[in-house]
Amino acid sequence: KQEVTQIPAALSVPEGENLVLNCSFTDSAIYNLQWFRQDPGKGLTSLLLIQSSQREQTSGRLNASLDKSSGRSTLYIAASQPGDSATYLCAVGDYGNKLVFGAGTILRVKS
Amino acid sequence: NAGVTQTPKFRVLKTGQSMTLLCAQDMNHEYMYWYRQDPGMGLRLIHYSVGEGTTAKGEVPDGYNVSRLKKQNFLLGLESAAPSQTSVYFCASSYPRPENTEAFFGQGTRLTVV
Repeated sequence: KQEVTQIPAALSVPEGENLVLNCSFTDSAIYNLQWFRQDPGKGLTSLLLIQSSQREQTSGRLNASLDKSSGRSTLYIAASQPGDSATYLCAVGDYGNKLVFGAGTILRVKS
Repeated sequence: NAGVTQTPKFRVLKTGQSMTLLCAQDMNHEYMYWYRQDPGMGLRLIHYSVGEGTTAKGEVPDGYNVSRLKKQNFLLGLESAAPSQTSVYFCASSYPRPENTEAFFGQGTRLTVV
């Protein structure tokens, strides 16, 4: 059974810092890995999707890497801003794009 | 383009009551999913559908039923609500090419069973 773990569970940083969120998964037979953002009481917003054949994806200040063989992904956020405060969720997708989620990292960026 | 729309957004049920949650998507996606999110846990898959007229069980299907009579709609039913079904429910949809297609999520339905 696929299991996804996110570390740390919570993170508080001052504005402007670069930071890394970690995600690990137990079964490397994945089709994709997706990073989502969730604001309190809201739905999920897709940030980045990495195909199983890719090593990384970038969007603005966000960069996500994937090492499928070791079962790891990282989300790098450059020059963090208070508006980045949210819960970040990592999920791995199978052949039917059924997603298995981690419990998330709660990020707080202090101004 | 509305994306994925869930109805209702909030609901309070008494134990034993029934209800149906509606999910509608306007992106012509083949695949649709229902997840639940509980505090401190990741989202877990309840049921999913790979096309009109099809449904399948996910990780936590007990106590729920689903139907996909139209491609754009996916309904989640609770026949006899229990307090353990208090949760936030999310619907999602995607194209059937997981290698390069992201899943789109609705805004969620917050359900409380008392």
